[in-house]
Amino acid sequence: DVKVTQSSRYLVKRTGEKVFLECVQDMDHENMFWYRQDPGLGLRLIYFSYDVKMKEKGDIPEGYSVSREKKERFSLILESASTNQTSMYLCASRPRGTSGANVLTFGAGSRLTVL
Amino acid sequence: SQQGEEDPQALSIQEGENATMNCSYKTSINNLQWYRQNSGRGLVHLILIRSNEREKHSGRLRVTLDTSKKSSSLLITASRAADTASYFCATDLNTNAGKSTFGDGTTLTVKP
Repeated sequence: DVKVTQSSRYLVKRTGEKVFLECVQDMDHENMFWYRQDPGLGLRLIYFSYDVKMKEKGDIPEGYSVSREKKERFSLILESASTNQTSMYLCASRPRGTSGANVLTFGAGSRLTVL
Repeated sequence: SQQGEEDPQALSIQEGENATMNCSYKTSINNLQWYRQNSGRGLVHLILIRSNEREKHSGRLRVTLDTSKKSSSLLITASRAADTASYFCATDLNTNAGKSTFGDGTTLTVKP
């Protein structure tokens, strides 16, 4: 069964800590995405990557960075966590192309609390 | 602002009834997708409709797309308690960027 795996389901960190959220997919997908989800705001795109070592800013990249050293792994980094980054983080992947059949496959989510 | 907006924000119905959720968007799209999210979990893809399609069915799901009104609807027929979840529409724009833009979602509660 193909899947997107997020390494941590729940994390609690302190303000100022560096936080790594890891995402691995086994579908050989080119495109990978990080979203955050907050009540009343839906899903907002933080960063995405369409190839190894490539990254593009999404709608809310401030306070975040990403790393894509291998095709299957896309990491989200909070250099100095702040309380307003408390949220649910969702990783997703999809194959390249606009054929119309390229839907997103999501991980189970990582709920981060910053104290 | 979000490309897609769902309506209503919340919907509560009895088991066996039909549930209809609507999605509006602002710019031309390549396709529109509906996803489902159970509480505290990731999203699961339900159905995709292309911009040149007007209606699509999958089991108890029926999706319509009206590109002239920039809107879509998701109908779940004969609902079950297990359909309780949040439902999101997502749009892919006419670019090759490969990213989808999501709405705020409709929370559906189906009472047994």
